[in-house]
Amino acid sequence: QVQLVESGGDVVQPGRSLRLSCVASGFTFGSFAMHWVRQAPGKGLEWVAVVSNDGTNKYYEDSVKGRFTISRDNSKNTLYLQMNSLRAEDTAVYYCAKGLYSGSYYFDYWGQGTLVTVSS
Amino acid sequence: EIVMTQSPATLSVSPGDRVTLSCRASQSVSSNLAWYQQKPGQAPSLLIYGASTRATGIPDRFSGSASGTEFTLTISSLQSEDFAVYYCQQYNNWVSFGQGTKVEIK
Repeated sequence: QVQLVESGGDVVQPGRSLRLSCVASGFTFGSFAMHWVRQAPGKGLEWVAVVSNDGTNKYYEDSVKGRFTISRDNSKNTLYLQMNSLRAEDTAVYYCAKGLYSGSYYFDYWGQGTLVTVSS
Repeated sequence: EIVMTQSPATLSVSPGDRVTLSCRASQSVSSNLAWYQQKPGQAPSLLIYGASTRATGIPDRFSGSASGTEFTLTISSLQSEDFAVYYCQQYNNWVSFGQGTKVEIK
């Protein structure tokens, strides 16, 4: 069955960097665009970024543009989110998510999430 | 940016009740609207996409409808496992979510 397993969340100081990973299994990873969605504690959902199935096209939510980089390694079935210049408002659970169809922007599978806390 | 507004913020209901959740888009999103259910400590799960198509395995007590920029999620007879937070999401112009409606026990 489809599984998405995130890792890499931690407590970091403002201005520092962190890289999240999401290992996928149970589907043809290289055929699907993949997304990161985050949820601040006690708050709603916020889409963060998407990368096309082949990694060539990447799009970001405005507040993370220039600071976050989404990427993927299809040989390792792994999605990444490099987060630089972290801010307190980036504190959230970060989920990787798969679209229902190859280019879908609605999500039929989500990982369990990994918590990023930005605090001094 | 398309703003999605859900109402009410909280709904207090009893098992067996018919429940209607609303979601309004600030501009047209066509039928590019999804609904998710999220239980405490869990990731969201897809209920509805295309405004009215149930995702695989979703019981038929869940239904979605649309009228212009107004969208509705209806639960025909609320079960105990349906107490959760529900989010709408548009995917017509990038992605944006509503703020959620919490369905709690009365």
